[in-house]
Order: sequence, then structure tokens, then C-alpha cells
Amino acid sequence: KQEVTQIPAALSVPEGENLVLNCSFTDSAIYNLQWFRQDPGKGLTSLLLIQSSQREQTSGRLNASLDKSSGRSTLYIAASQPGDSATYLCADGGSQGNLIFGKGTKLSVKP
Amino acid sequence: NAGVTQTPKFQVLKTGQSMTLQCAQDMNHNSMYWYRQDPGMGLRLIYYSASEGTTDKGEVPNGYNVSRLNKREFSLRLESAAPSQTSVYFCASSITAGASNYGYTFGSGTRLTVV
Repeated sequence: KQEVTQIPAALSVPEGENLVLNCSFTDSAIYNLQWFRQDPGKGLTSLLLIQSSQREQTSGRLNASLDKSSGRSTLYIAASQPGDSATYLCADGGSQGNLIFGKGTKLSVKP
Repeated sequence: NAGVTQTPKFQVLKTGQSMTLQCAQDMNHNSMYWYRQDPGMGLRLIYYSASEGTTDKGEVPNGYNVSRLNKREFSLRLESAAPSQTSVYFCASSITAGASNYGYTFGSGTRLTVV
């Protein structure tokens, strides 16, 4: 059974810092790896999706990488801003889109 | 605005009562999902529907039933609510084609408390 882990559970950084969020998974036979953002009291917003055959995806200041052999994905956020404060979740896409989530990393960017 | 709409946003039930959570999407997605989110447990899949007329159990289906009424609507029913079903429920939809899925979109959630 696939297990997805995100460490640390919480992270606090000063504004402007570049940072990396980590995601690890136990079964390398993933269909895709997705990163989401969740603001307090809100639903999830899709950030990036990396297909199994891809190594990375970029969107603006965000870059996500996927290394299936090591069972790891990272989300790189450049020049962090207070508006980036949220919980970030990674998920294994599953064979029919049934996502398996990590428990998330709560990011706080201090002005 | 296009997206996934859930109703109601908040609900308080007494133990043993029943209710149905409604979900509708207007993006012509073929797949729809119900998740629950609990502190310390993260998001877990309750049921999903890969296409109209089909439904499958997820990780935590006990105590729930679902109906894929048409391509747009996917409802979640609690027949006899229990305090353990206190949670935030999210509906989602996506496009699933073969082994690929994309366009994942979540609703804003239903906060359910069972007393």
C-alpha cells in the first residue's frame, strides 16, 4: 500500500528566502505526483502535476521535481512571500485519479 | 464561476440522523471523488466515480453511500450519522483518461459536526 510522507510538518521562513518542501513515497510505481495548496478553511488548489514519465514541472516561482528511483518529490519555492503562507500537500495520483495524500507541510513566511 | 460546488457548507447533526451532501461540477470532468479531512489523518478517499453510472470504494467507505446522478452530480449520503463522522468533507473532480488524470479541482468543503 502506497504511503506518502511530508517532513517537516511545519516550516517558518523569512520573506525572500528560497525554500524546498519534501515529499516521499514508498511505492515507486506512481502514475503521477501532484502538489496542492490549502489555505485555512478552504479547499485545495492544484499547483503542479508531474506525470510519471517526467522529471519536473515549473509554474512561475514554483518548481516541482520527481525522482521515482529514490521515492522523492520536492517543491521549490523561489523568493518566498507572505502570501505563500499555506499548507502544501503532495499526493500520488493513483490509477483512477484516487489521490493518496501526505499530511502536508504548513508553511509560514514572515514579513 | 466554473468549478466544483458543494452544499451545504456547514451542518450539525445529531447521532443517528441522516443527510446527503451534494456536489456538482460544470467542467465536463468524467471522474468525481469524495474525501474527508481530519486533523492528524490528512485527506482520505471515501468513494469515487470514474464515470457516470459507476462508483467504487476508497480507503474509508464504511458508513457512507454515494450516487453518481449524472455526469455533473455526485452525492454522499450518511444514513445514520456517528460522532466519528465529524469531519470536513471535500468533493473533487478530474479528467481521467487511461492511466492519466489531470485538471483536479476541489470544492470548498462541508464542515460536518455530529453530536
